[in-house]
Amino acid sequence: QKEVEQNSGPLSVPEGAIASLNCTYSDRGSQSFFWYRQYSGKSPELIMFIYSNGDKEDGRFTAQLNKASQYVSLLIRDSQPSDSATYLCAVSITGNQFYFGTGTSLTVIP
Amino acid sequence: DGGITQSPKYLFRKEGQNVTLSCEQNLNHDAMYWYRQDPGQGLRLIYYSQIVNDFQKGDIAEGYSVSREKKESFPLTVTSAQKNPTAFYLCASSPERGYAQYFGPGTRLTVT
Repeated sequence: QKEVEQNSGPLSVPEGAIASLNCTYSDRGSQSFFWYRQYSGKSPELIMFIYSNGDKEDGRFTAQLNKASQYVSLLIRDSQPSDSATYLCAVSITGNQFYFGTGTSLTVIP
Repeated sequence: DGGITQSPKYLFRKEGQNVTLSCEQNLNHDAMYWYRQDPGQGLRLIYYSQIVNDFQKGDIAEGYSVSREKKESFPLTVTSAQKNPTAFYLCASSPERGYAQYFGPGTRLTVT
């Protein structure tokens, strides 16, 4: 079982809609959770991190963490074509291990 | 202007040649990492270093070597022993291992 699982997609949403990206993790000792955006041909860019159960909002982005169910999600409100990218979920667990998911490809259709 | 730099952006080599990829950071981060990414694939950890003069193998270290003589620098050498070296190589750093990682722009290596 992989430490971090993401649906590879592709996920397509119309412009202006809410895009919902999900990630599950296997280690209950996971402490910190991160979302990266990677445009085609570019390096990953950190866009959100969350440590506590609940929601964390930053502009159009909301990260949601549910430790009991072992999932973390990223919501993108008012999706724009410029949001089209691959989104990587990452998890930090005890012992300073850090794991990336394989990413979900998002396409926002104008 | 703090950040991570990698050079060159594109690199072409003939099979059988060793090649060294540069990674420099001025973020004062202790930990540094090298990843490999193949088309349509996730990130695979090659090597990481938590402090100067110390580094550890990641999941796919065979055919690669690193050094960490300075806090700011973590060069990666792709040796001729690496069977499929053509890939996108990403360097990252974090304040400590387990903290958020920040990536450089990457080096795209093509070996023919």
